[in-house]
Amino acid sequence: EIVLTQSPATLSLSPGERATLSCRASQSVTNYLAWYQQKPGQAPRLLIYDASNRATGVPARFSASGSGTDFTLTISSLEPEDFAVYYCQQRSNWYSFGQGTKLEIK
Amino acid sequence: QVQLQQWGAGLLKPSETLSLTCAVYGGSFSPFHWSWIRQSPGKGLEWIGEIGHSGSTNYNPSLKSRVTMSLDTSKNQISLNLKSVTAADTAVYYCARESGGILYTRFDFWGQGTLVTVSS
Repeated sequence: EIVLTQSPATLSLSPGERATLSCRASQSVTNYLAWYQQKPGQAPRLLIYDASNRATGVPARFSASGSGTDFTLTISSLEPEDFAVYYCQQRSNWYSFGQGTKLEIK
Repeated sequence: QVQLQQWGAGLLKPSETLSLTCAVYGGSFSPFHWSWIRQSPGKGLEWIGEIGHSGSTNYNPSLKSRVTMSLDTSKNQISLNLKSVTAADTAVYYCARESGGILYTRFDFWGQGTLVTVSS
């Protein structure tokens, strides 16, 4: 089983600042890594797929990179609606998710 | 626009069977794969399993002995049964559509979620 470890667990920033979230896999997932945003009471929303591709309708301030075992999600300039929990997800024989990074307002 | 609408019993007693159904509206049922995912405070997001449009299934090994998924292509519906539930199965359950190229790699549409509580 591939384990995804996200860091930090909580990130406290202000609107307008840059956010950098990390996801590390216990073994290579090539580029089959996705990122999701989840707000309270809602289902996760796909942001990024295959490590660096933005999903339909996702603003350009969201970008991502990485391959193998180390991946990064960057939000270039935080908007108020970006404060949420972010999860990474991989697909190997089956799917698994990271434990999440909570992005909170400082 | 694809929409997934799910329903099922929200309160179960230990040892009962969890049954949920998810209907797909506004999009093609095939050639996609469809998954069930659950979320609990203690375990975060956990993938339960998937079913392809042909009915082929793939389950999380940790739940495989208790899970059955099925589909009804005439109604564009998928179903989840999880038998012998315990308090550890208390979670919000989601259905989701998988997408990708050669390999399905992510979930692009999700149901609204169903809270299932297991309590005596």
